[in-house]
Amino acid sequence: DAKTTQPNSMESNEEEPVHLPCNHSTISGTDYIHWYRQLPSQGPEYVIHGLTSNVNNRMASLAIAEDRKSSTLILHRATLRDAAVYYCILKGAQKLVFGQGTRLTINP
Amino acid sequence: NAGVTQTPKFQVLKTGQSMTLQCAQDMNHEYMSWYRQDPGMGLRLIHYSVGAGITDQGEVPNGYNVSRSTTEDFPLRLLSAAPSQTSVYFCASSYSGYETQYFGPGTRLLVL
Repeated sequence: DAKTTQPNSMESNEEEPVHLPCNHSTISGTDYIHWYRQLPSQGPEYVIHGLTSNVNNRMASLAIAEDRKSSTLILHRATLRDAAVYYCILKGAQKLVFGQGTRLTINP
Repeated sequence: NAGVTQTPKFQVLKTGQSMTLQCAQDMNHEYMSWYRQDPGMGLRLIHYSVGAGITDQGEVPNGYNVSRSTTEDFPLRLLSAAPSQTSVYFCASSYSGYETQYFGPGTRLLVL
């Protein structure tokens, strides 16, 4: 499974945008880029995924570099409820392989 | 839909005891999987199943058994619990494994 690299932690302020980076230089052509997040004391939940084009949904946006070696999860207006660990996962097969993720802290 | 449910929420075992962690889903998902999460770590795949009667090992299968007799249920068995199995266990399901996976609330297990 191709690996991803994320910062251990990030901090932002409420109601400001947040950009969470992910490097995946060994991504293969068939790997999808998935993001999940885990709120405190809960199971992970799906956030967004994409292959080549940028993607938007009600939770976030995903910006994928043209060479696909990196991507950025964008939370447009962070709330306190967005404080969580965010996992960037390359998925070419059925299995999800989690890394350490980025712990996002939101300041009021 | 109840989604993915797990029981119990919390369990304390003594070393050597056995137990079964239950996982059920009511979304008619073919793919189900078990993960463990140790403190401060990401999730690690224990076992997974692509359909009833079919199971396979993940990254950390030792000490755990699974079976899948129905689409809805995917129990995880600890045959002889060890302190190293103290962890939070999550079950997940999806239609085929390639789509979004839905996670249960977790079972917190303490082995003394």
